[in-house]
Amino acid sequence: DAGVIQSPRHEVTEMGQEVTLRCKPISGHDYLFWYRQTMMRGLELLIYFNNNVPIDDSGMPEDRFSAKMPNASFSTLKIQPSEPRDSAVYFCASSLGQNNNEQFFGPGTRLTVL
Amino acid sequence: GDSVTQMEGPVTLSEEAFLTINCTYTATGYPSLFWYVQYPGEGLQLLLKATKADDKGSNKGFEATYRKETTSFHLEKGSVQVSDSAVYFCAPSDTGRRALTFGSGTRLQVQP
Repeated sequence: DAGVIQSPRHEVTEMGQEVTLRCKPISGHDYLFWYRQTMMRGLELLIYFNNNVPIDDSGMPEDRFSAKMPNASFSTLKIQPSEPRDSAVYFCASSLGQNNNEQFFGPGTRLTVL
Repeated sequence: GDSVTQMEGPVTLSEEAFLTINCTYTATGYPSLFWYVQYPGEGLQLLLKATKADDKGSNKGFEATYRKETTSFHLEKGSVQVSDSAVYFCAPSDTGRRALTFGSGTRLQVQP
């Protein structure tokens, strides 16, 4: 299995631009998670899906952030408009629900907003 | 809500030294407990886990025991190597939310 795939690996954009991060979970996994990692705040859960349905989005920082999962093999995290404080590494992870919550992480997308 | 407290880093050790990274947690019910490791420039990888009280998780020479009475899950290794240099995260699961609560991470630096 290829593992969790994220794209792009690096993104540099200017303040005010729209940013879309992409994730392909491991085939057969029914849970998908989006995390953000910064030096100041550590690893934060933004949102997670079960069977393509958003279950908990309480970690999404504000309305500029949105996430979708149109099918079992694809999810996006969008920031519009982006701000410098959104600069972070964004991780996607997936899990098989009944496997005691073991999550498999992608390599992350390093976002820099200038 | 659930919370995790990890010892602050960085932890700097010489090769072949004994390692302990403390982790305590608060959670409702009886969560599964995990240690993840993050090597430089990479995503997190599962290191070991324990799913019930008194279980011992082990992998690559690392061990941690699920202590329900002290709500702890301390990570240990008898002899660290330079290649163990990484950031280690303790994470209890929330069986209701099916999400993990990650600690702040402990950076380990092993010197030759």
